[in-house]
Amino acid sequence: SQELEQSPQSLIVQEGKNLTINCTSSKTLYGLYWYKQKYGEGLIFLMMLQKGGEEKSHEKITAKLDEKKQQSSLHITASQPSHAGIYLCGADLNSGGSNYKLTFGKGTLLTVNP
Amino acid sequence: NAGVTQTPKFQVLKTGQSMTLQCAQDMNHEYMSWYRQDPGMGLRLIHYSVGAGITDQGEVPNGYNVSRSTTEDFPLRLLSAAPSQTSVYFCASSYSAGTGIPYEQYFGPGTRLTVT
Repeated sequence: SQELEQSPQSLIVQEGKNLTINCTSSKTLYGLYWYKQKYGEGLIFLMMLQKGGEEKSHEKITAKLDEKKQQSSLHITASQPSHAGIYLCGADLNSGGSNYKLTFGKGTLLTVNP
Repeated sequence: NAGVTQTPKFQVLKTGQSMTLQCAQDMNHEYMSWYRQDPGMGLRLIHYSVGAGITDQGEVPNGYNVSRSTTEDFPLRLLSAAPSQTSVYFCASSYSAGTGIPYEQYFGPGTRLTVT
Protein backbone atom coordinates (compact mmCIF):
# COMPACT_ATOMS: atom_id res chain seq x y z
CA SER A 1 0.00 0.00 0.00
CA GLN A 2 1.05 3.58 -0.54
CA GLU A 3 2.99 5.05 2.41
CA LEU A 4 1.95 8.59 1.54
CA GLU A 5 -1.60 9.14 0.28
CA GLN A 6 -2.69 12.39 -1.32
CA SER A 7 -6.30 13.44 -1.78
CA PRO A 8 -7.95 14.36 -3.97
CA GLN A 9 -6.12 13.01 -7.02
CA SER A 10 -7.46 15.91 -9.06
CA LEU A 11 -9.37 19.07 -8.38
CA ILE A 12 -11.13 21.60 -10.61
CA VAL A 13 -12.10 24.90 -9.03
CA GLN A 14 -13.41 28.24 -10.19
CA GLU A 15 -11.03 31.18 -9.83
CA GLY A 16 -11.48 32.83 -6.46
CA LYS A 17 -12.53 29.67 -4.63
CA ASN A 18 -10.68 28.17 -1.70
CA LEU A 19 -9.39 24.61 -1.76
CA THR A 20 -7.57 22.05 0.41
CA ILE A 21 -5.26 19.18 -0.50
CA ASN A 22 -4.45 16.50 2.05
CA CYS A 23 -1.43 14.28 2.54
CA THR A 24 -1.67 11.35 4.96
CA SER A 25 1.18 9.09 6.04
CA SER A 26 1.04 5.50 7.25
CA LYS A 27 4.28 6.08 9.18
CA THR A 28 5.68 8.69 11.55
CA LEU A 29 6.51 11.93 9.80
CA TYR A 30 9.95 13.42 10.49
CA GLY A 31 9.57 16.18 7.94
CA LEU A 32 6.90 17.04 5.39
CA TYR A 33 7.65 18.93 2.18
CA TRP A 34 5.23 20.48 -0.28
CA TYR A 35 6.24 21.00 -3.91
CA LYS A 36 4.48 22.33 -6.98
CA GLN A 37 5.13 21.08 -10.50
CA LYS A 38 4.07 22.60 -13.79
CA TYR A 39 3.55 20.06 -16.56
CA GLY A 40 6.88 19.07 -18.12
CA GLU A 41 8.93 20.98 -15.58
CA GLY A 42 10.81 20.36 -12.37
CA LEU A 43 9.57 20.63 -8.81
CA ILE A 44 9.35 23.98 -7.07
CA PHE A 45 9.69 23.95 -3.30
CA LEU A 46 6.77 25.54 -1.46
CA MET A 47 7.06 24.79 2.26
CA MET A 48 8.53 22.43 4.81
CA LEU A 49 6.92 21.39 8.09
CA GLN A 50 8.66 19.53 10.87
CA LYS A 51 6.87 19.93 14.16
CA GLY A 52 3.37 18.89 15.08
CA GLY A 53 0.95 21.78 14.94
CA GLU A 54 3.31 23.77 12.75
CA GLU A 55 1.69 26.08 10.23
CA LYS A 56 3.39 28.07 7.49
CA SER A 57 2.05 30.50 4.94
CA HIS A 58 3.38 31.97 1.74
CA GLU A 59 1.22 34.43 -0.13
CA LYS A 60 -2.15 32.67 -0.41
CA ILE A 61 -0.94 29.16 0.42
CA THR A 62 -1.00 27.76 3.96
CA ALA A 63 0.30 24.37 5.05
CA LYS A 64 -0.35 22.68 8.39
CA LEU A 65 1.05 19.56 10.03
CA ASP A 66 -1.03 17.40 12.35
CA GLU A 67 1.54 15.11 13.94
CA LYS A 68 -0.97 12.91 15.77
CA LYS A 69 -2.94 12.24 12.63
CA GLN A 70 0.29 11.94 10.60
CA GLN A 71 -1.31 14.29 8.13
CA SER A 72 -0.62 17.58 6.42
CA SER A 73 -2.99 19.88 4.58
CA LEU A 74 -2.30 22.53 1.96
CA HIS A 75 -4.89 25.27 1.72
CA ILE A 76 -5.11 27.81 -1.08
CA THR A 77 -7.21 30.91 -0.49
CA ALA A 78 -8.88 32.76 -3.38
CA SER A 79 -7.33 30.55 -6.06
CA GLN A 80 -5.89 32.04 -9.24
CA PRO A 81 -5.00 30.46 -12.60
CA SER A 82 -1.33 30.77 -11.57
CA HIS A 83 -2.00 28.20 -8.83
CA ALA A 84 -2.75 25.51 -11.41
CA GLY A 85 -0.35 22.58 -11.52
CA ILE A 86 0.51 19.35 -9.73
CA TYR A 87 1.00 19.54 -5.97
CA LEU A 88 3.22 16.90 -4.44
CA CYS A 89 3.86 16.10 -0.83
CA GLY A 90 7.12 14.45 0.13
CA ALA A 91 8.03 13.06 3.54
CA ASP A 92 11.04 11.95 5.48
CA LEU A 93 9.86 8.64 6.98
CA ASN A 94 13.34 7.56 8.09
CA SER A 95 13.94 9.10 11.52
CA GLY A 96 14.83 12.63 10.52
CA GLY A 97 17.71 14.23 8.71
CA SER A 98 17.05 12.06 5.65
CA ASN A 99 15.98 14.80 3.30
CA TYR A 100 17.86 13.02 0.50
CA LYS A 101 15.48 10.04 0.39
CA LEU A 102 11.99 11.39 0.51
CA THR A 103 8.85 9.36 -0.06
CA PHE A 104 6.37 11.15 -2.32
CA GLY A 105 2.64 10.99 -2.75
CA LYS A 106 1.19 10.52 -6.23
CA GLY A 107 0.28 14.18 -6.54
CA THR A 108 -2.86 16.29 -6.88
CA LEU A 109 -3.63 17.89 -10.24
CA LEU A 110 -5.19 21.31 -9.70
CA THR A 111 -7.06 23.12 -12.47
CA VAL A 112 -8.28 26.66 -11.88
CA ASN A 113 -10.88 27.90 -14.33
CA PRO A 114 -11.02 31.66 -14.97
CA ASN B 1 24.09 29.90 -9.14
CA ALA B 2 22.74 27.58 -11.82
CA GLY B 3 21.29 25.28 -9.14
CA VAL B 4 20.75 21.69 -10.28
CA THR B 5 21.30 21.08 -13.97
CA GLN B 6 20.45 17.95 -15.96
CA THR B 7 21.38 16.87 -19.45
CA PRO B 8 19.97 15.88 -21.83
CA LYS B 9 16.40 17.21 -21.58
CA PHE B 10 15.04 14.57 -23.94
CA GLN B 11 16.43 11.22 -25.07
CA VAL B 12 15.17 8.30 -27.14
CA LEU B 13 16.93 4.96 -26.78
CA LYS B 14 16.48 1.57 -28.30
CA THR B 15 16.16 -1.48 -26.09
CA GLY B 16 19.58 -2.68 -25.03
CA GLN B 17 21.39 0.62 -25.53
CA SER B 18 23.26 2.24 -22.68
CA MET B 19 23.50 5.89 -21.71
CA THR B 20 24.34 8.24 -18.88
CA LEU B 21 22.08 10.95 -17.55
CA GLN B 22 24.14 13.84 -16.25
CA CYS B 23 23.42 15.81 -13.11
CA ALA B 24 25.42 18.65 -11.60
CA GLN B 25 24.88 21.13 -8.78
CA ASP B 26 26.84 24.24 -7.86
CA MET B 27 25.51 24.76 -4.33
CA ASN B 28 28.10 22.59 -2.56
CA HIS B 29 25.35 20.27 -1.34
CA GLU B 30 26.46 17.03 0.28
CA TYR B 31 23.35 15.05 -0.59
CA MET B 32 22.21 14.14 -4.08
CA SER B 33 19.42 11.85 -5.28
CA TRP B 34 17.87 10.42 -8.41
CA TYR B 35 14.11 9.92 -8.74
CA ARG B 36 11.91 8.69 -11.56
CA GLN B 37 8.39 9.95 -12.14
CA ASP B 38 5.81 7.79 -13.84
CA PRO B 39 2.10 8.51 -14.43
CA GLY B 40 0.04 7.43 -11.44
CA MET B 41 3.14 6.46 -9.44
CA GLY B 42 4.50 9.74 -8.14
CA LEU B 43 8.26 10.10 -7.65
CA ARG B 44 10.26 7.04 -6.64
CA LEU B 45 13.82 7.08 -5.36
CA ILE B 46 16.38 5.25 -7.51
CA HIS B 47 19.76 5.94 -5.85
CA TYR B 48 21.16 8.53 -3.51
CA SER B 49 24.50 9.79 -2.24
CA VAL B 50 25.40 11.38 1.09
CA GLY B 51 28.81 12.54 -0.08
CA ALA B 52 31.58 11.99 -2.60
CA GLY B 53 32.40 8.29 -2.83
CA ILE B 54 29.25 7.21 -0.94
CA THR B 55 26.14 5.92 -2.71
CA ASP B 56 23.24 3.70 -1.78
CA GLN B 57 20.14 2.18 -3.31
CA GLY B 58 16.67 3.60 -3.10
CA GLU B 59 13.29 2.02 -3.78
CA VAL B 60 13.79 1.13 -7.48
CA PRO B 61 17.54 0.66 -8.16
CA ASN B 62 17.47 -2.28 -10.61
CA GLY B 63 18.90 -1.46 -14.04
CA TYR B 64 20.68 1.69 -12.86
CA ASN B 65 24.18 2.47 -11.63
CA VAL B 66 25.53 5.61 -10.00
CA SER B 67 28.84 6.96 -8.81
CA ARG B 68 29.86 10.12 -6.99
CA SER B 69 33.47 11.06 -7.62
CA THR B 70 32.98 14.77 -6.89
CA THR B 71 30.61 16.80 -4.74
CA GLU B 72 29.19 18.50 -7.83
CA ASP B 73 28.35 15.57 -10.12
CA PHE B 74 26.07 12.56 -9.75
CA PRO B 75 25.57 10.71 -13.07
CA LEU B 76 22.97 7.98 -13.52
CA ARG B 77 23.86 5.12 -15.88
CA LEU B 78 21.45 2.85 -17.68
CA LEU B 79 23.46 -0.22 -18.63
CA SER B 80 20.96 -1.91 -20.95
CA ALA B 81 17.84 0.16 -21.49
CA ALA B 82 14.42 -1.48 -21.28
CA PRO B 83 10.97 -0.09 -22.20
CA SER B 84 10.09 -0.21 -18.47
CA GLN B 85 12.68 2.54 -17.96
CA THR B 86 10.67 5.00 -20.03
CA SER B 87 10.09 7.77 -17.53
CA VAL B 88 10.97 11.30 -16.47
CA TYR B 89 14.12 11.37 -14.35
CA PHE B 90 14.80 14.04 -11.76
CA CYS B 91 18.01 14.74 -9.96
CA ALA B 92 17.91 16.55 -6.62
CA SER B 93 20.40 17.92 -4.14
CA SER B 94 20.13 19.07 -0.56
CA TYR B 95 22.14 20.53 2.25
CA SER B 96 22.97 18.77 5.46
CA ALA B 97 23.12 20.68 8.70
CA GLY B 98 23.18 17.65 10.94
CA THR B 99 20.86 14.89 12.02
CA GLY B 100 17.29 15.95 12.53
CA ILE B 101 17.68 19.31 10.85
CA PRO B 102 15.79 19.21 7.59
CA TYR B 103 16.35 21.28 4.50
CA GLU B 104 14.48 21.09 1.23
CA GLN B 105 15.69 19.22 -1.81
CA TYR B 106 16.40 21.29 -4.90
CA PHE B 107 15.28 19.59 -8.09
CA GLY B 108 16.64 19.77 -11.61
CA PRO B 109 14.37 20.31 -14.65
CA GLY B 110 14.25 16.60 -15.50
CA THR B 111 15.21 14.31 -18.38
CA ARG B 112 12.41 12.76 -20.38
CA LEU B 113 13.56 9.31 -21.55
CA THR B 114 11.77 7.05 -24.01
CA VAL B 115 12.96 3.49 -24.63
CA THR B 116 11.56 1.81 -27.73
